[in-house]
Amino acid sequence: EVQLVESGGGLVQPGGSLRLSCAASGFMFSSYEMNWVRQAPGKGLEWVSYISSSGSVIIYADSVKGRFTVSRDNAKNSLYLQMNSLGAEDTAIYYCASPTMSDVFDLWGQGTMVTVSS
Amino acid sequence: DIQMTQSPSSLSASVGDRVNITCRASQGIFHYVAWFQQEPGKAPKSLISAASTLLSGVPSRFSGSGSGTDFTLTISGLQPEDFATYYCQQYNTYPISFGQGTRLEIK
Repeated sequence: EVQLVESGGGLVQPGGSLRLSCAASGFMFSSYEMNWVRQAPGKGLEWVSYISSSGSVIIYADSVKGRFTVSRDNAKNSLYLQMNSLGAEDTAIYYCASPTMSDVFDLWGQGTMVTVSS
Repeated sequence: DIQMTQSPSSLSASVGDRVNITCRASQGIFHYVAWFQQEPGKAPKSLISAASTLLSGVPSRFSGSGSGTDFTLTISGLQPEDFATYYCQQYNTYPISFGQGTRLEIK
């Protein structure tokens, strides 16, 4: 089955760090670009980060630039998001998403919740 | 950065109705618009790419149109499972941006 499964979310104090993972299965992960998208409680979708299939091109939203780092391990079929200096504004469900059968995000994980609170 | 202004923010309609949801881009983005449906507690689901291309498995009652700055998602003959939140997205330029969402409710 073609799927993405996120993990690593949880409760973290302001200023803390967290590392999210996204495990891919059922498709050739190394051939596809990947993205992180987040959704604050009751709010809309916000694109966070992009990484090319090889990992050579990385782009961030201004809201996370300098604090978040995206990476991938194609040998492990995994995508990561290292989040540092977290603030309340980072509280959200984090989704990994990829254009696999089209040029848009047609494959999404189920999401992992990150809560930043003291 | 490109802003996507989506309207209306909410919409009440009945089963069988036809509804339109619009998105306006702050600058021209050719046809690089996608539409997503999100049910409560679930991940978004892609419906349309390139402004008007229906993705595999999406019912034909969904259609998209537009180019440049103005785009429309049309649902013809609403079904009970269509009551959800819809988002447009521009993918012409990074940073990718989404519209604010349209909550489609049963009248």
